[in-house]
Amino acid sequence: QQQVKQSPQSLIVQKGGISIINCAYENTAFDYFPWYQQFPGKGPALLIAIRPDVSEKKEGRFTISFNKSAKQFSLHIMDSQPGDSATYFCAASMVGSKLTFGTGTRLQVTL
Amino acid sequence: NAGVTQTPKFQVLKTGQSMTLQCAQDMNHNSMYWYRQDPGMGLRLIYYSASEGTTDKGEVPNGYNVSRLNKREFSLRLESAAPSQTSVYFCASRRTSGDPQYFGPGTRLTVL
Repeated sequence: QQQVKQSPQSLIVQKGGISIINCAYENTAFDYFPWYQQFPGKGPALLIAIRPDVSEKKEGRFTISFNKSAKQFSLHIMDSQPGDSATYFCAASMVGSKLTFGTGTRLQVTL
Repeated sequence: NAGVTQTPKFQVLKTGQSMTLQCAQDMNHNSMYWYRQDPGMGLRLIYYSASEGTTDKGEVPNGYNVSRLNKREFSLRLESAAPSQTSVYFCASRRTSGDPQYFGPGTRLTVL
């Protein structure tokens, strides 16, 4: 049973554009929602995270939007750059429990 | 701080061979995890250790065993490797639930 569904599987965005990756979850007890960024040949690294008491969190060009009623959260990358080309994973967990990951989105930012 | 380290980086095994993947963290984290990453499947949890002295099965534990040797080290053992275990294996750690999880650089394993 996949508890976190991520889309799209792959995404191509022009330089300067907005990249949007979506995730939906099923377990209403989830209370921690991180996004990880993974470059080829490397391990995933935490990019940004949000808790359900806020609807949006912004760090530089990266923003998480969170919709508790719809059980959805998304990652927005503003002014996308070629250096942002990577695979992005959403995840979710509840207190005292392990992370459940989405299946990943491969982002390619073209010149 | 080295963070999370994994050895080896690459390994090729023949079907039926055994091997142990090593993981160590120097961040004094309580919890440690082993994942496998396959194309289109994301990161799937094999085993985890919530604290020193405890281990639990994750989503895909069959064919694997683990040992939490001490607070720093968490090893993953394949007793009789199968081609279906060809994958990239990541170790991760975190201080406690709700804290960021830090990943190692991965071990790319091929089973022929």
